[in-house]
Amino acid sequence: TQLLEQSPQFLSIQEGENLTVYCNSSSVFSSLQWYRQEPGEGPVLLVTVVTGGEVKKLKRLTFQFGDARKDSSLHITAAQPGDTGLYLCALYWENSGGSNYKLTFGKGTLLTVNP
Amino acid sequence: NAGVTQTPKFQVLKTGQSMTLQCAQDMNHEYMSWYRQDPGMGLRLIHYSVGAGITDQGEVPNGYNVSRSTTEDFPLRLLSAAPSQTSVYFCASSPSPTRNEKLFFGSGTQLSVL
Repeated sequence: TQLLEQSPQFLSIQEGENLTVYCNSSSVFSSLQWYRQEPGEGPVLLVTVVTGGEVKKLKRLTFQFGDARKDSSLHITAAQPGDTGLYLCALYWENSGGSNYKLTFGKGTLLTVNP
Repeated sequence: NAGVTQTPKFQVLKTGQSMTLQCAQDMNHEYMSWYRQDPGMGLRLIHYSVGAGITDQGEVPNGYNVSRSTTEDFPLRLLSAAPSQTSVYFCASSPSPTRNEKLFFGSGTQLSVL
């Protein structure tokens, strides 16, 4: 079951532009992670957000966790070609035994920043 | 530290062949997992392990077997390869199977089944 919806699926912009990508769920989730994946590599964790309304900044990247904890956004200011990659949101959900968690991913937003 | 190491980087199989994708981590991580990534489908969990001798199924386990005899290694076996298993496979690990842990990924194995 796909719990996370990401939009847009593709985004192509010019260097210096701002952009926002979104991650939404019909369910409330307790925390969410954002990963970035560059071509030919595995995903790398950018941030974990755990509190409704939380805002975290990582240089030119701003992550927000919705007040209702059903959505999250990633805003990039003055995008650079080095920001090009697949941006994935992911959430942990509890397995049936209740003692462990599994990480499930959205389908991602493929960002291309043109010089 | 090497982190998470996957081998091979590329593999081509014929339908019906079997093979093992190798994954090793040198961080003494308790939790290891396998994902497959297909265009438009994101990353889907195949199998995971919360420690040596303990494995469980993810979203798409059919056609794959795993075992965890040591903390370091978590191989993924394709018993009889099918074209539908053409994909990029990622192994990942984290210190524990608890919420909010950072997952460390390998660089992937690109598998083609003809």
